[in-house]
Amino acid sequence: GAVVSQHPSRVICKSGTSVKIECRSLDFQATTMFWYRQFPKKSLMLMATSNEGSKATYEQGVEKDKFLINHASLTLSTLTVTSAHPEDSSFYICSALAGVGETQYFGPGTRLLVL
Amino acid sequence: AQSVSQHNHHVILSEAASLELGCNYSYGGTVNLFWYVQYPGQHLQLLLKYFSGDPLVKGIKGFEAEFIKSKFSFNLRKPSVQWSDTAEYFCAVNARSGNNRLAFGKGNQVVVIP
Repeated sequence: GAVVSQHPSRVICKSGTSVKIECRSLDFQATTMFWYRQFPKKSLMLMATSNEGSKATYEQGVEKDKFLINHASLTLSTLTVTSAHPEDSSFYICSALAGVGETQYFGPGTRLLVL
Repeated sequence: AQSVSQHNHHVILSEAASLELGCNYSYGGTVNLFWYVQYPGQHLQLLLKYFSGDPLVKGIKGFEAEFIKSKFSFNLRKPSVQWSDTAEYFCAVNARSGNNRLAFGKGNQVVVIP
């Protein structure tokens, strides 16, 4: 149980375009999902907390207009990188909170490369 | 806000050796503690967690961790590693009364030589 999927697994796009990444909890409902960014040889950096039916909460320094988050249902959150630039190239990982156990289950990540 | 320290980013050891990875956190309140593992090319998986009760926690694949409140530590141990334990290990903390936001350490890259 507690499986989280992400789509796509990797994407290459041109600078200036927008990219949408989906995060799904497959066998449980998640009122809260999280979006992280992982840099090479570095830890995960929390970008935002996504709450079903309400606005996302962004961490300090993360541009909310750049990284649009929508949590439309209890099993789906999307992250849209708008007007992507090469510096947005990274590994984006989502997680979903399973029940009241306060344990986050992680998706496999999406590798974004902006040319 | 919570912060997490992991030392010795790169660890290389032989099969059957014992492994201990240190994790220290800073936070004044009550916390939940986690160890996650990321095998090469795979996603983060939960190894074990501590919420309350017995401070010695047993997880999957023979791993255990001990919460020492006085030292703000949650060190991970395995008595005898295998080649398949080659992975990156992350310690993470969240505040018990918070919004479940996890603070991660920088990770330990563990390489087990057959």
